[in-house]
Amino acid sequence: NAGVTQTPKFQVLKTGQSMTLQCAQDMNHEYMSWYRQDPGMGLRLIHYSVGAGITDQGEVPNGYNVSRSTTEDFPLRLLSAAPSQTSVYFCASSYALPGQGGKLFFGSGTQLSVL
Amino acid sequence: AQRVTQPEKLLSVFKGAPVELKCNYSYSGSPELFWYVQYSRQRLQLLLRHISRESIKGFTADLNKGETSFHLKKPFAQEEDSAMYYCALSGGKLIFGQGTELSVKP
Repeated sequence: NAGVTQTPKFQVLKTGQSMTLQCAQDMNHEYMSWYRQDPGMGLRLIHYSVGAGITDQGEVPNGYNVSRSTTEDFPLRLLSAAPSQTSVYFCASSYALPGQGGKLFFGSGTQLSVL
Repeated sequence: AQRVTQPEKLLSVFKGAPVELKCNYSYSGSPELFWYVQYSRQRLQLLLRHISRESIKGFTADLNKGETSFHLKKPFAQEEDSAMYYCALSGGKLIFGQGTELSVKP
């Protein structure tokens, strides 16, 4: 049982490049979400999904796109990378909505640097 | 709107001392609150949630709706408690605070 798997672990981009951060879970969780972690800012919610075909914006969605075509996968796309997007990105999933007692399971993170 | 505030970025205590990590929240509905912890080189993981009213690794947290707080407490800190602690609030989506780094010195 792999849990939540994120790839890549590290990535360096140039300003303006695009890329996709991959997230997959094998626990049949309906709820999936993306966070970014910055010093002094904590974890901030980027986008989340309550099931296949359903996505919604979090606290800091600008510059990021998501889609949820399957229950297992929830990729995060950076459309045109900017230095302000340098951060550590975490994907997390839950068997139930957080408001219904769901416990989040986190991936190991992707460290992204935008030059 | 949901908001979680952890006023202390760093809390440093000696082993055996009591610990209290503060968390205040803002939410118009009935809140569900959590504490998550990130130990060095490990993934973020759930420590405890208010609905369970449990004690995990000696930590407890009580929801005070009047003061809109959910402070995390432990009577005697251990060195292995050193980690980053995040308070989180759920109103359908999970919002985290800024985090408090706990350092327990020998």
